[in-house]
Amino acid sequence: GAVVSQHPSRVICKSGTSVKIECRSLDFQATTMFWYRQFPKKSLMLMATSNEGSKATYEQGVEKDKFLINHASLTLSTLTVTSAHPEDSSFYICSASISGAYNEQFFGPGTRLTVL
Amino acid sequence: GNSVTQMEGPVTLSEEAFLTINCTYTATGYPSLFWYVQYPGEGLQLLLKATKADDKGSNKGFEATYRKETTSFHLEKGSVQVSDSAVYFCALSDQSNTGKLIFGQGTTLQVKP
Repeated sequence: GAVVSQHPSRVICKSGTSVKIECRSLDFQATTMFWYRQFPKKSLMLMATSNEGSKATYEQGVEKDKFLINHASLTLSTLTVTSAHPEDSSFYICSASISGAYNEQFFGPGTRLTVL
Repeated sequence: GNSVTQMEGPVTLSEEAFLTINCTYTATGYPSLFWYVQYPGEGLQLLLKATKADDKGSNKGFEATYRKETTSFHLEKGSVQVSDSAVYFCALSDQSNTGKLIFGQGTTLQVKP
């Protein structure tokens, strides 16, 4: 149980285009989902926290207009990278938890974004 | 602010060797501490956790003890296997009601037969 999927697993796009990444909790309802960015040989950096039905809370330094997060249902959150540029190339990982505090986060396998 | 520091990798060991991966943290209050493991091609999985000082988390032969006096949560295993090859992340969750995790940079472990 507690499986989280991400789609696509990898995507290559041209500079200036927008890319949507989906995160789904397959066998549980996730009240909270988190989006991380992982650079090569670097830690996971939390980008934003999203709660179902409300606006996402972004971490300092993360552009909310560039990284649009929607958490429309208890099993789906989406991250849209708008007008992507090569510096947005990275590994994006989502996680989901049943409730925010002190509960285990279940991680998706990640999405590799390459912007040409 | 809160932070987690892990030992630099990669760590290369022979099968059945003893493993230690160091992790120290900086945090206010009393955070919960975690070790996550990421096997090749898979998402992060919780390996073990400890929620208060002197707690020992354990799973699959791995152990880590929450040491408040040294602000450490070192991961140990007495005898590693090839299947333990993965990236290991130390993380903390502060006392706020957000569920946020702060990760260390990850340590790659390679176990050779």
